[in-house]
Amino acid sequence: AQRVTQPEKLLSVFKGAPVELKCNYSYSGSPELFWYVQYSRQRLQLLLRHISRESIKGFTADLNKGETSFHLKKPFAQEEDSAMYYCALYTGTASKLTFGTGTRLQVTL
Amino acid sequence: GAGVSQSPRYKVAKRGQDVALRCDPISGHVSLFWYQQALGQGPEFLTYFQNEAQLDKSGLPSDRFFAERPEGSVSTLKIQRTQQEDSAVYLCASSSPQPYEQYFGPGTRLTVT
Repeated sequence: AQRVTQPEKLLSVFKGAPVELKCNYSYSGSPELFWYVQYSRQRLQLLLRHISRESIKGFTADLNKGETSFHLKKPFAQEEDSAMYYCALYTGTASKLTFGTGTRLQVTL
Repeated sequence: GAGVSQSPRYKVAKRGQDVALRCDPISGHVSLFWYQQALGQGPEFLTYFQNEAQLDKSGLPSDRFFAERPEGSVSTLKIQRTQQEDSAVYLCASSSPQPYEQYFGPGTRLTVT
C-alpha cells in the first residue's frame, strides 16, 4: 500500500532563510508526487507537481526515486509562505491522492 | 470562476443522528472525490466518482457512510447514526480532465456531540 510521510509537524524559520519541507513516500510502482498548500482560512490548493518540474512562488521539489523523497525547497523564505503544506502521492490505478500528515511552515521576522 | 462549494460549512450533530453533506463541483468536472480530515491529520480518501458512477468506495470507514452523485454533478455524502469518531472536516474535490489535479472545496466541519 502507498504511504506518505512528513516527519515534521512544525517548521519555524526566519524570513530570508532557506526552507526544506521533507516528504518521503512508499509505493512499489511509478509515483506521481504533488505538494498542496493551505493558507490561513483558505482552501487546500495545488502548489506544484513533480512531473512539470516548474518553480511556483519560488518553491521547487525534485523527485528522488533512490531515496523515495520529494522534498520541497525554497532558498529564501517569505512571510507569506507561512501555511500548512501537504505532500501527496497519486497512483493512477486508484485515481486517488494519498496525503501526508502535513507540515506547518511558520516564517518569522 | 466558481470553485467547488460545500454546504453546510459547519454541522453539529448529536450522536446517533443522520447527516447529509453536499458538494457542488466545478461545472463540467468529471471526477469527484470525498476526503475525511481528522484534526492534525492529512486528508484521507473516502470515495471517488467518475460522472455518476462510484468507481471506488474503498475508503468509506463503515456501512454508515454512503455517497451518491445521481446526475453526475452534485454529490451528497450521508452519514447514518453518527458517532463521535466521525467528527472531522469533510472535503470534496473535483477534477477534469486529469484526476490528479484536484480542486478542493472549503470543507464541512462536522462535530458529533
